[in-house]
Amino acid sequence: DADVTQTPRNRITKTGKRIMLECSQTKGHDRMYWYRQDPGLGLQLIYYSFDVKDINKGEISDGYSVSRQAQAKFSLSLESAIPNQTALYFCAVGTAKTYEQYFGPGTRLTVT
Amino acid sequence: AQSVTQPDIHITVSEGASLELRCNYSYGATPYLFWYVQSPGQGLQLLLKYFSGDTLVQGIKGFEAEFKRSQSSFNLRKPSVHWSDAAEYFCAVGARWQTGANNLFFGTGTRLTVIP
Repeated sequence: DADVTQTPRNRITKTGKRIMLECSQTKGHDRMYWYRQDPGLGLQLIYYSFDVKDINKGEISDGYSVSRQAQAKFSLSLESAIPNQTALYFCAVGTAKTYEQYFGPGTRLTVT
Repeated sequence: AQSVTQPDIHITVSEGASLELRCNYSYGATPYLFWYVQSPGQGLQLLLKYFSGDTLVQGIKGFEAEFKRSQSSFNLRKPSVHWSDAAEYFCAVGARWQTGANNLFFGTGTRLTVIP
């Protein structure tokens, strides 16, 4: 499986603050994803990237931005956090050959 | 449009009992199907996958799933549940997004509680 790490693992921030969540992987997979998980809603795709120059919006991109700094790094930013962005955020990686995705441990974000 | 339905939000079973978690999908082409498990405080772990061939697929931790095209289903089963199986389970289908890219669509999950 891909080794996917996310930092921070937990974060509490205030409304209006800018926050960045980081994801890195060590297996060289070309595709990277950011998901948001809310209770009862499953996983919703925020952004995805198939390579460094390819960034695409997912289902719920409003209020979020991303940066693919390198093949191994994909960051998610909340420019001005709001309380309804309180959620569990997952990074995932995958390859072009299959649909399989491998997930990081998640970041629990609380916006007060 | 593609979608995944997991009709059971929460299931409770006794340890040692059998388990079946339901998953129905909607997709026009041959689907790529997955089951993931999320233990408390953890990320999602791939349990098993179906791409083609034998419709009964084996996964990790003693789980299996059966693809039934006529019923658009991919139900997850385990003959004897262990307390450590308590977790949330997600079914997913690989399909094309509106952008043309291939991605995963997830169901809303089924939470499994195991009682002694």
